[in-house]
Amino acid sequence: QKEVEQNSGPLSVPEGAIASLNCTYSDRGSQSFFWYRQYSGKSPELIMSIYSNGDKEDGRFTAQLNKASQYVSLLIRDSQPSDSATYLCAVTGGFKTIFGAGTRLFVKA
Amino acid sequence: EAGVAQSPRYKIIEKRQSVAFWCNPISGHATLYWYQQILGQGPKLLIQFQNNGVVDDSQLPKDRFSAERLKGVDSTLKIQPAKLEDSAVYLCASSQEREGSNEQFFGPGTRLTVL
Repeated sequence: QKEVEQNSGPLSVPEGAIASLNCTYSDRGSQSFFWYRQYSGKSPELIMSIYSNGDKEDGRFTAQLNKASQYVSLLIRDSQPSDSATYLCAVTGGFKTIFGAGTRLFVKA
Repeated sequence: EAGVAQSPRYKIIEKRQSVAFWCNPISGHATLYWYQQILGQGPKLLIQFQNNGVVDDSQLPKDRFSAERLKGVDSTLKIQPAKLEDSAVYLCASSQEREGSNEQFFGPGTRLTVL
């Protein structure tokens, strides 16, 4: 059974701080890794994708991938109250994608 | 570019009734997914189509759920008969056909309540 694990949270950080969200996966053959943001009552929205080891930065977001440790993370710099949402990690191997249960993030003003 | 369209947005039915959901993917996206998302959980894949063929329906409760994607464009998901535990948000997503890189784009979802 292929799995994607995330801490359910909630993760609470003050405004302006760095939020660090983590995800581990079980399938060593996984090729692609995604972070989706889901606001309450809304559908998931793709915010980051990463395919190779290392860091990928996009604005305030940085995705980090370590395939040897089967670990992917998302850093949000200068966190804003509008970043408060559930962050879903998704992992793809071949044509199959598995989503984690998500981590709830609260950014306190 | 238009996003993924779904209808209806909300549906309330009684148990043992039937219900159908419709999805139109982003133009040119060969792969279409139906997910079930229960409150507090991540999306669970029900069925994945590539063009009009089924790639994965291993988690689809086939005794009550069915889905089709005629002509490889829009799709319909049906539940018959519905159970209380089917209350969830049903999400449709689409992606371009690219192995190992499934950037998925989601529709607004249909919130189903079974009474």
